[in-house]
Amino acid sequence: DVKVTQSSRYLVKRTGEKVFLECVQDMDHENMFWYRQDPGLGLRLIYFSYDVKMKEKGDIPEGYSVSREKKERFSLILESASTNQTSMYLCASSLGGRGAGSPDTQYFGPGTRLTVL
Amino acid sequence: QKEVEQDPGPLSVPEGAIVSLNCTYSNSAFQYFMWYRQYSRKGPELLMYTYSSGNKEDGRFTAQVDKSSKYISLFIRDSQPSDSATYLCAMSRPSGYSTLTFGKGTMLLVSP
Repeated sequence: DVKVTQSSRYLVKRTGEKVFLECVQDMDHENMFWYRQDPGLGLRLIYFSYDVKMKEKGDIPEGYSVSREKKERFSLILESASTNQTSMYLCASSLGGRGAGSPDTQYFGPGTRLTVL
Repeated sequence: QKEVEQDPGPLSVPEGAIVSLNCTYSNSAFQYFMWYRQYSRKGPELLMYTYSSGNKEDGRFTAQVDKSSKYISLFIRDSQPSDSATYLCAMSRPSGYSTLTFGKGTMLLVSP
């Protein structure tokens, strides 16, 4: 079974703090993703990485950065947390590439609920 | 117009009902159509997918794609309280990065 783990289930930080959210996958997947999920807005892609040290901006990268130094680990960094970054953060990974007729399935972690006060 | 539209619900049904969940989309390049299920306080998990048009059945679940109308559906037969969750449709293109475009999700509540 694919397992994607996230460092914390719940996190409370203060405005201006630097926040690190960590994600680890154990299936040697090439691709890793960070999303945030908000009521009424759904899942929005922040950043993704298709290889070690490679990253691509998603739909809402502002205020975030990422780091992927090892294949199994993908970190999301909030350089200076703000209250509008209070959200559920979800990490996902996928194998990369695809066979004919099958999508590149994304497997999600349990999420980190971040509250910025 | 958003790329993928999905009614957020909630959709409340009695146990045993047939449920229909739907998404519309605007990008004709989408070829893979997926349904994810998300229980409260958990991450989404893939329920089933279809490639291009047609139907696909898996137990009580049937996924349907109508590319001419840019409309996809998930049917749940004999719904159970354990089906209560948020259902997200997701779509991707056949080439390029493996990114998905998600609908906002429909919350389904099945009462005993």
